[in-house]
Amino acid sequence: AAGVIQSPRHLIKEKRETATLKCYPIPRHDTVYWYQQGPGQDPQFLISFYEKMQSDKGSIPDRFSAQQFSDYHSELNMSSLELGDSALYFCASSARRNAETQYFGPGTRLLVL
Amino acid sequence: GDSVTQMEGPVTLSEEAFLTINCTYTATGYPSLFWYVQYPGEGLQLLLKATKADDKGSNKGFEATYRKETTSFHLEKGSVQVSDSAVYFCALRDSGGYQKVTFGTGTKLQVIP
Repeated sequence: AAGVIQSPRHLIKEKRETATLKCYPIPRHDTVYWYQQGPGQDPQFLISFYEKMQSDKGSIPDRFSAQQFSDYHSELNMSSLELGDSALYFCASSARRNAETQYFGPGTRLLVL
Repeated sequence: GDSVTQMEGPVTLSEEAFLTINCTYTATGYPSLFWYVQYPGEGLQLLLKATKADDKGSNKGFEATYRKETTSFHLEKGSVQVSDSAVYFCALRDSGGYQKVTFGTGTKLQVIP
């Protein structure tokens, strides 16, 4: 079965650079969620989109922005990167806004040097 | 707000031992409950879920029962294998219209031969 696809899988950036992470949800899933998992931490919710509109917002820094496109894929844009942004970034998708199960992608591991 | 509390790890067991990982939760509504597993260097995989009180989720020999009276969702397996070594996250998604998944801090399981 098709799963959530994230790209790139690994990314190395310097401080103050920008990064763009991409997420392709499971086909026919219309809701996308972004999470950040710091080293040894549990995943923390950043932001979500339903039908291309932001639907919920968590602990996403102002330096980050995200959007969902007409084909339902989503991009997380990160600017002025800091060392503390080094983490595993997960995207998850669900079939409808209130679907109880979110399916997670493999994550993008971002390292900021 | 919502929260999930898991027993701290790491948990080290011998192969074929019985596993219990305790999980309790606090939620304002009637949440759905999940166990996710994260193998070393990989993403989050849904292990099992339960959407209402007294439901039992099961998968790959693991099981957990949604106990509303004790607000618990303990993970159990009768006989663990080395391949079960991973980090296990208990999680909930509230029914109150909010979409994010709230995770516990994770419990690392190491199974030795």
